[in-house]
Amino acid sequence: DAGVIQSPRHEVTEMGQEVTLRCKPISGHNSLFWYRQTMMRGLELLIYFNNNVPIDDSGMPEDRFSAKMPNASFSTLKIQPSEPRDSAVYFCASSTPPLAGGEQYFGPGTRLTVT
Amino acid sequence: DQQVKQNSPSLSVQEGRISILNCDYTNSMFDYFLWYKKYPAEGPTFLISISSIKDKNEDGRFTVFLNKSAKHLSLHIVPSQPGDSAVYFCAARLNSGNTPLVFGKGTRLSVIA
Repeated sequence: DAGVIQSPRHEVTEMGQEVTLRCKPISGHNSLFWYRQTMMRGLELLIYFNNNVPIDDSGMPEDRFSAKMPNASFSTLKIQPSEPRDSAVYFCASSTPPLAGGEQYFGPGTRLTVT
Repeated sequence: DQQVKQNSPSLSVQEGRISILNCDYTNSMFDYFLWYKKYPAEGPTFLISISSIKDKNEDGRFTVFLNKSAKHLSLHIVPSQPGDSAVYFCAARLNSGNTPLVFGKGTRLSVIA
């Protein structure tokens, strides 16, 4: 298995632009998570899905952030408009059944820089 | 309110010595604990775990100890190697098994040759 796949690996964009991060979870995993890592706050859970349904998005910082999971093999995290304070590494992870409490496997992350 | 705390942001240890990384938690409903290791430019990877019914789990050079009464766990690495230099995250799971892991902020371990 290829593991969790994220794209792009690096993204540099100007303030105000839309940014879309992509994730392909491990086949057969029922839950998918989006995290943001910063020096100050460590690994923050932004949102997670069980069986493609968003369960908890309380970690999404603002309405500028949105996430979708149209099917079991693809998810997106969108930031519109982006701001410099959104600069961070964004990780996607998927977990083994049962649902969200299983061991999580992380993708390599997307390093986002907003200038 | 942080439910999983790693109070030491960094730790330096000489090669060959023991590394001890600590983690405290506040929620007594956690029943499963994990340690993840993260190298630069990579995602965190699972290292070792322990169930709340145990007080020790060992895997090669890595041992995790759990003290439920103190709500404290620790990861011991012995002997430490330069390749162990990474950020280590402690994580915990609620006993419902249906909610995400809760992560600490991580401890950066540097093993000096």
